[in-house]
Amino acid sequence: DAKTTQPTSMDCAEGRAANLPCNHSTISGNEYVYWYRQIHSQGPQYIIHGLKNNETNEMASLIITEDRKSSTLILPHATLRDTAVYYCIVRGLYNQGGKLIFGQGTELSVKP
Amino acid sequence: EPEVTQTPSHQVTQMGQEVILRCVPISNHLYFYWYRQILGQKVEFLVSFYNNEISEKSEIFDDQFSVERPDGSNFTLKIRSTKLEDSAMYFCASSGTSRPNEQFFGPGTRLTVL
Repeated sequence: DAKTTQPTSMDCAEGRAANLPCNHSTISGNEYVYWYRQIHSQGPQYIIHGLKNNETNEMASLIITEDRKSSTLILPHATLRDTAVYYCIVRGLYNQGGKLIFGQGTELSVKP
Repeated sequence: EPEVTQTPSHQVTQMGQEVILRCVPISNHLYFYWYRQILGQKVEFLVSFYNNEISEKSEIFDDQFSVERPDGSNFTLKIRSTKLEDSAMYFCASSGTSRPNEQFFGPGTRLTVL
């Protein structure tokens, strides 16, 4: 699975969009980008994933660049409850049911 | 919405004792996992389990660890002889066959080894 690079921490004002970047320059053609988050002391939570098209669900949007070397997770209207560590993970579709490798992630602080 | 549950929420044990951490995965899921997180550190993969056998395990998952699915609903992690360094939060997760890479995590069991 390709390596990812994320900023260590970010701040965001409540009600504003939070844009969390991730670099995955060694991603291969059959690898997906997954985003999980971990609210303090809780288990990680799946947010969204994508291959090459932009994706949106009830939690967030995922924008993947055309060359697929980077992506951005967007929380459109961040709330205090979105304060968490956000993990960008690249996984091959072939690796069905395999381990998730968590890096350090980005610690997002949403401030009032 | 279905969720993964874990018991107990907190377990305190003496070094050298055996502990069993219990998990009830989401009912129609077939892939099961254990992860751990030492305080202040990354979430680390321990083991994955599918079709009644271990699919993959990490270096951490040595002979002191074992997993079992004793019945149709529970998934357990046993540590035979706990060490101080086993103190951590242990998370169980499960995923289904249609989207196996979307893992649903439980709330965790905090294990404290004294």
